Amino acid sequence: HVQLQESGPGLVKPSQTLSLTCTVSGDSISRGGYNWTWIRQHPGKGLEWVGNIYHTGSFHFSPSLQSRLSISMDSSKNQFSLKLTSVTAADTAVYYCAREADLPFFFDSWGPGTLVIVSS
Amino acid sequence: SSELTQDPAVSVALGQTVRITCQGDSLRGYYASWYQQRPGLAPRLVIYGRNNRPSGIPDRISGSISGHTSSLTITGAQAEDEADYYCSSRDTDDDSVLFGGGTKLTVL
Repeated sequence: HVQLQESGPGLVKPSQTLSLTCTVSGDSISRGGYNWTWIRQHPGKGLEWVGNIYHTGSFHFSPSLQSRLSISMDSSKNQFSLKLTSVTAADTAVYYCAREADLPFFFDSWGPGTLVIVSS
Repeated sequence: SSELTQDPAVSVALGQTVRITCQGDSLRGYYASWYQQRPGLAPRLVIYGRNNRPSGIPDRISGSISGHTSSLTITGAQAEDEADYYCSSRDTDDDSVLFGGGTKLTVL
């Protein structure tokens, strides 16, 4: 039974970098067959895909965020991480990490989510 | 890029059947997956592929596809089905991921 857990600061100042980590248990992020994804949800709004990283270490980002976004993985800790630079209030959201299957496409396991507020 | 379109809100009487739809060009190439989100909780996968349910999802929830429209049907809606429902698929243009805007289901 795979479990994911997000961690990181709940408050980030404008113009700084938002950094989150997702710790995975019950599966290996370096095993093929799944990708590892970040999804966010602005308060009271819908879901927005942020980006993902493949078990090979390659990645794919949302076109609207790619200039500020990086995603990396640490196989030794079974973690993957998100960094979003130059944040503004518009980046305030609940951030979820999830496991993504490719064919068929779905997100079958989600972390509980972590609220990140961008404010001075 | 493409988009997925959902009705913002749908209501159903207790015990009746409701269909929630998701339209988008990407659905001609990819099956949608469907997620249920109750207030304060993370989304939960309820349908994937042509019409597959993860373990623990009741069989009153089903999925179907016709052309560029994917549908989630709840047959005999229960109070616990009241939630937001989101569809998702890959974008055929650039392989990114699309989410529909979500449908708020109210069970009367």
